[in-house]
Amino acid sequence: NAGVMQNPRHLVRRRGQEARLRCSPMKGHSHVYWYRQLPEEGLKFMVYLQKENIIDESGMPKERFSAEFPKEGPSILRIQQVVRGDSAAYFCASSPSRQGNNEQFFGPGTRLTVL
Amino acid sequence: GENVEQHPSTLSVQEGDSAVIKCTYSDSASNYFPWYKQELGKRPQLIIDIRSNVGEKKDQRIAVTLNKTAKHFSLHITETQPEDSAVYFCAASKNSGDKLTFGTGTRLAVRP
Repeated sequence: NAGVMQNPRHLVRRRGQEARLRCSPMKGHSHVYWYRQLPEEGLKFMVYLQKENIIDESGMPKERFSAEFPKEGPSILRIQQVVRGDSAAYFCASSPSRQGNNEQFFGPGTRLTVL
Repeated sequence: GENVEQHPSTLSVQEGDSAVIKCTYSDSASNYFPWYKQELGKRPQLIIDIRSNVGEKKDQRIAVTLNKTAKHFSLHITETQPEDSAVYFCAASKNSGDKLTFGTGTRLAVRP
């Protein structure tokens, strides 16, 4: 019973390049959340998605950042034209459904370094 | 939106002593309060949670209390062990399926 999977675990990009982060939720989970953690700080919500739908993107910067969760395949967080301030750990979490008492389970994170 | 404050930011205790971490939240509509433990370089792991229809929940050496009137909740770890050393985050949401708003974390060090 695999947990939440994220890849790559580490990603190095130069300023101006694109970063693509992938998240595969736990089996049976249809809800995905992305959080960003800056060094020595807490986790900040970015976006909440269900299959083919963005439910809440209130924490995601309007420019350069986008997210999707297609019908087939993993959820993707895409950062275009990366800047040094994008360097952080990006965690995704999944839960089975919105109704009821469902915990969020976190993946191992992708550590993005922008040179 | 919701704002969660967490104290203290660092906590050092002797092995076997108790540790208490406190959080306050601002949105009275929040009703789900999980606690996560994060070891260095690892993912946050849920250790205990509480919902607004209960005031206290216990799981072995870990307990959480909730005061909805005062809008604060606390994590209690008894008989601390060196492997309890980690960063602990509290969080709040309006529903367990909604986004989590996290506190800033408490770095707990248990001295052997």
